[in-house]
Amino acid sequence: EAGVTQFPSHSVIEKGQTVTLRCDPISGHDNLYWYRRVMGKEIKFLLHFVKESKQDESGMPNNRFLAERTGGTYSTLKVQPAELEDSGVYFCASSQYGQRGEKLFFGSGTQLSVL
Amino acid sequence: QKEVEQNSGPLSVPEGAIASLNCTYSDRGSQSFFWYRQYSGKSPELIMSIYSNGDKEDGRFTAQLNKASQYVSLLIRDSQPSDSATYLCAVNAYIWNFGNEKLTFGTGTRLTIIP
Repeated sequence: EAGVTQFPSHSVIEKGQTVTLRCDPISGHDNLYWYRRVMGKEIKFLLHFVKESKQDESGMPNNRFLAERTGGTYSTLKVQPAELEDSGVYFCASSQYGQRGEKLFFGSGTQLSVL
Repeated sequence: QKEVEQNSGPLSVPEGAIASLNCTYSDRGSQSFFWYRQYSGKSPELIMSIYSNGDKEDGRFTAQLNKASQYVSLLIRDSQPSDSATYLCAVNAYIWNFGNEKLTFGTGTRLTIIP
């Protein structure tokens, strides 16, 4: 069974540019989460989808970040325009609806560097 | 005060010894507690979950929870070089998640097992 897949693994962009991160959850997982880790800090929650609906987006830092999950399958996280403080590792995670937290699977992350 | 605090380490332990990792949390209402292991450049991987006060054992791993002291720990017995990784403590306000794995993480403790 394929795990959570994230693309790209690394992205280097200049301040002001746009970047789109993609996450493919484990097939059949209704829950999809985005988390972020900035340098030296802890991993922080960004938002949660249940299928195609945003369940909780309380962790999104500002309106430069836009997450979508069309059709309830893969998700994208767009940063537009990117700022220096957006640099970090963006993790996606998924779980099957109705399962306990122990079934949360993480992807390997996208390392975003904004120069 | 951070919501979830861990000693960042690095923690060095001789092979075969017991590694002890500690975590404290500030939200007294927290219900679910997790330990994730993360190898460099890889995805966080769940290794233990605990919901009730006391000890929970799984192979060489034992998680300990003390809600009164707001403290959770992870013991690794017979430490192996392959246990060298960063260990992340994570906390959730919910005990039965049904798709609400909004985890609060600590910054992680880097563990090195010395052969």
